[in-house]
Amino acid sequence: EAQVTQNPRYLITVTGKKLTVTCSQNMNHEYMSWYRQDPGLGLRQIYYSMNVEVTDKGDVPEGYKVSRKEKRNFPLILESPSPNQTSLYFCASSNQQGGWLEQFFGPGTRLTVL
Amino acid sequence: AQTVTQSQPEMSVQEAETVTLSCTYDTSESDYYLFWYKQPPSRQMILVIRQEAYKQQNATENRFSVNFQKAAKSFSLKISDSQLGDAAMYFCAYRFGRSGGSNYKLTFGKGTLLTVNP
Repeated sequence: EAQVTQNPRYLITVTGKKLTVTCSQNMNHEYMSWYRQDPGLGLRQIYYSMNVEVTDKGDVPEGYKVSRKEKRNFPLILESPSPNQTSLYFCASSNQQGGWLEQFFGPGTRLTVL
Repeated sequence: AQTVTQSQPEMSVQEAETVTLSCTYDTSESDYYLFWYKQPPSRQMILVIRQEAYKQQNATENRFSVNFQKAAKSFSLKISDSQLGDAAMYFCAYRFGRSGGSNYKLTFGKGTLLTVNP
């Protein structure tokens, strides 16, 4: 089954404790992206990756890091989480073969930073 | 920068009735795509319908249809014969049309929470 998986689905942590949210896709997609969703703000892009070892900032990159060492994986790293990073996070992936390029979303990760 | 505006934070509809959700966007591009996503309580993002800007014909998917007005930069979603399972948050989203080496970022509106009353 074609899918994007994220782990963990729920996480409660404390300020300053480094954490990683994993994202993996099995569709051989080149493009992957992270969004955060906050009430009243919709979804906003954090980082994206066009391919292995190619990443760039989205609209709200502060406080986050990413890496793309393998095509299928695109982890989101919070080196020193703060309460304002409490949010719902989505990973998405897409191919680059032209057309409307449907983005497939993961199930979301609910992060709470105390 | 592109922006997407959903002016209705909440809407409600009676079961079996029709409801229209509004969306406007701002872009200087001529080639782009527009989407409606549904987010039920499970939080999964589900693509409902898409529209290519170069197509004049409005997209339709079963009970879901859009009214795409390119000149007015308007992209509303009509849900016919509303069902209890349609209750969800609905997001309008925009993506520019260039491909190959570009950021395929989706720009989302803030969402409209749809309630379906039995």
